[in-house]
Amino acid sequence: SQQGEEDPQALSIQEGENATMNCSYKTSINNLQWYRQNSGRGLVHLILIRSNEREKHSGRLRVTLDTSKKSSSLLITASRAADTASYFCATAREDNFNKFYFGSGTKLNVKP
Amino acid sequence: NAGVTQTPKFQVLKTGQSMTLQCAQDMNHNSMYWYRQDPGMGLRLIYYSASEGTTDKGEVPNGYNVSRLNKREFSLRLESAAPSQTSVYFCASSPGQGNFNTQYFGPGTRLTVL
Repeated sequence: SQQGEEDPQALSIQEGENATMNCSYKTSINNLQWYRQNSGRGLVHLILIRSNEREKHSGRLRVTLDTSKKSSSLLITASRAADTASYFCATAREDNFNKFYFGSGTKLNVKP
Repeated sequence: NAGVTQTPKFQVLKTGQSMTLQCAQDMNHNSMYWYRQDPGMGLRLIYYSASEGTTDKGEVPNGYNVSRLNKREFSLRLESAAPSQTSVYFCASSPGQGNFNTQYFGPGTRLTVL
C-alpha cells in the first residue's frame, strides 16, 4: 500500500479520558486529513492539516504533523461515549492532491 | 440538500454478472471519487474524476470502469464480478477548488459476489 499504518488498531478508554491515535505515511504529501466512521456509515471529515503546518486545533481535536518523520497524531480530549467510532487518516499526494490514501484506521471505544 | 447519494444500498451478484453503482451529489462539487473498503481496512481509491469530463485511475482500478455522466453523477461499473470484489463501495465528492480538498462521503453500497 502507498499508505502506512495507524496505531493502535484498537483503543478502549473511559469517558473523560484523552485518546491519542497515530498515523504514518510513505509519500510526500500536500495535506493530511482525519476522518471518522461510525459503524456501517460513510466517513465524515474532521480536520485537515497542510504540509507546512505543525499543529492544528478544532474543538476537542488536536492534530500534529511531523513531515520529517512522515507521521501525524490525532488527540481527542475529554472523550465521550459518542466519540466511539473508527478514525482514519488520509493523505493527499504532493504531486496530485486528488489522489488520497487512507490508513487502516483506529477503532476507538469510549466506555461510559 | 441530500449531499452524496448512492444506489443501491445492498446488492448480491453471482460471479460473472455485471452491475453499475450509481452516485450523485447536489453540492456542485467538481471532483468525485470511488473507493472500496474491505473488512477491517481503510479505503482504497478505485477511480476519481477531478472535473467533469475527466477520469483517472486510483490505487485499485482493475476490474472496474467509471463514467462521469455530468457534474452531478459518477457511476462505477463492474463488467464481470468476481468474489474478490465483495466489499463496501463508497462514493465521495469534493469542491475541487485549490489544493485542499475535503471529501464528503455517501452512505455506501454493500456488495457481495458469490
